[in-house]
Amino acid sequence: QSALTQPASVSGSPGQSITISCTGTRSDVGAYNYVSWYQQHPGKAPRLMIYDVTKRPSGVSNRFSGSKSGNTASLTISGLQAEDEADYYCCSFTTSGTRVFGGGTKLTVL
Amino acid sequence: QVQLQESGPRLVKPSETLSLTCSVSGGSVSGHYWSWIRQPPGKGLEYIGYIYYSGNTDYNPSLQSRVTLSVDTSRNQFSLNLSSMTAADTAVYYCARLEILGSNYHFDSWGQGTLVTVSS
Repeated sequence: QSALTQPASVSGSPGQSITISCTGTRSDVGAYNYVSWYQQHPGKAPRLMIYDVTKRPSGVSNRFSGSKSGNTASLTISGLQAEDEADYYCCSFTTSGTRVFGGGTKLTVL
Repeated sequence: QVQLQESGPRLVKPSETLSLTCSVSGGSVSGHYWSWIRQPPGKGLEYIGYIYYSGNTDYNPSLQSRVTLSVDTSRNQFSLNLSSMTAADTAVYYCARLEILGSNYHFDSWGQGTLVTVSS
């Protein structure tokens, strides 16, 4: 099971919007609407930000949104803030019944 | 709110078996799925597997031959055994809850993680 493909890094200025892509295959991202996104600050545990492609858990800012087209899922953060600077990981359920993470994307707020 | 705490050795010798335990507080292991995820220093997250409180398991195919997960409902904890450890297994090991949200299960609560180093 190969890791999902994410860009190594993205950056944006405060107030701007950025999008992080997560590309998989027909056996994972493309198979179901079961993609989730996690935010990880340095030295901290990951935090669930998006699940089932588009849904936000309670307490997550509505500046975070998710989408999917074919085998690629995306996380968009609007109105960038300094505290959004972190690593972001996508995760997908697979047709084998297991789960696979993306390689991670480092977001820098300029 | 459920809290998870990993415990176990910080240093393991090559070829030995790693044993980690995740203690759950603020909730019961019963009725839920529980997972292990690891992160090598400076690298991304890797799914290890999950165990249901009744004992059903799923393992990452790349680790399946070396991984065993178990659960102890009486102690409200679950455990990871990873055999034949090598330097490539050096990582922060996280335990997490797989909870039903929407239409599927997602990792909604995480332990703080514990760094395990493999070295002689």
